Amino acid sequence: QVHLVESGGGVVQPGRSLRVSCAASGFIFRDNAMHWVRQAPGKGLEWVAMISFDGSDKSYGASVKGRFTVSRDNLRDTLSLQMNDLGPDDSAVYFCARGSRDDLWALDVWGQGTLVTVSS
Amino acid sequence: QSLLTQPPSASGTPGQTVTIACSGGSSNIGSYSVSWYSHVPGRAPKLLIYGNDQRPSGVPARFSGSKSAPSASLAISSLQSDDEADYYCSTWDDDLNAWVFGGGTRVTVL
Repeated sequence: QVHLVESGGGVVQPGRSLRVSCAASGFIFRDNAMHWVRQAPGKGLEWVAMISFDGSDKSYGASVKGRFTVSRDNLRDTLSLQMNDLGPDDSAVYFCARGSRDDLWALDVWGQGTLVTVSS
Repeated sequence: QSLLTQPPSASGTPGQTVTIACSGGSSNIGSYSVSWYSHVPGRAPKLLIYGNDQRPSGVPARFSGSKSAPSASLAISSLQSDDEADYYCSTWDDDLNAWVFGGGTRVTVL
């Protein structure tokens, strides 16, 4: 069974850093692009970042570009998101999601998310 | 303000059909395929439709998608209480160079 499990969320002060991770199982991790999507309290889904299957291509949403870095370890089947210079607007549930191999624009498996709260 | 516009809410009684529209433009829906997701707060979002009208394995045929650029729609027929959730459309946008989501539509079963 395909599973994505996020971890690493918590409360962090403004301006500080935090790293969240996603453990994948039940599929060949190195075959799929992976994404991070977030949902701020009371808001909708916002795409954050994408990394290609081999890590050679990365892209970011405008609100996080230059502050967040996505990476993956295809030996450990793990996806990570390094978040620097965090602000209150970064408070959200962060979901990892698998890029579909049937449709480049679809995300076909999602985790349950990890909550990041930026507060002093 | 999302580039993809959805109504904030929709509702129906059990057995009815609810249709959710997603309006975009030439840089997104006009050029790329649309996906639809359901999300119950506190749970993992779920892919319902990809490639405008394709259902992943395990998604009931009650869920159907269509596209007439620059808009797309999701129809939920034979509405059930379990269908109460937030529904989001999504695609790629050339102007933003980013995946984009609609603002979401909360479906209520009366």
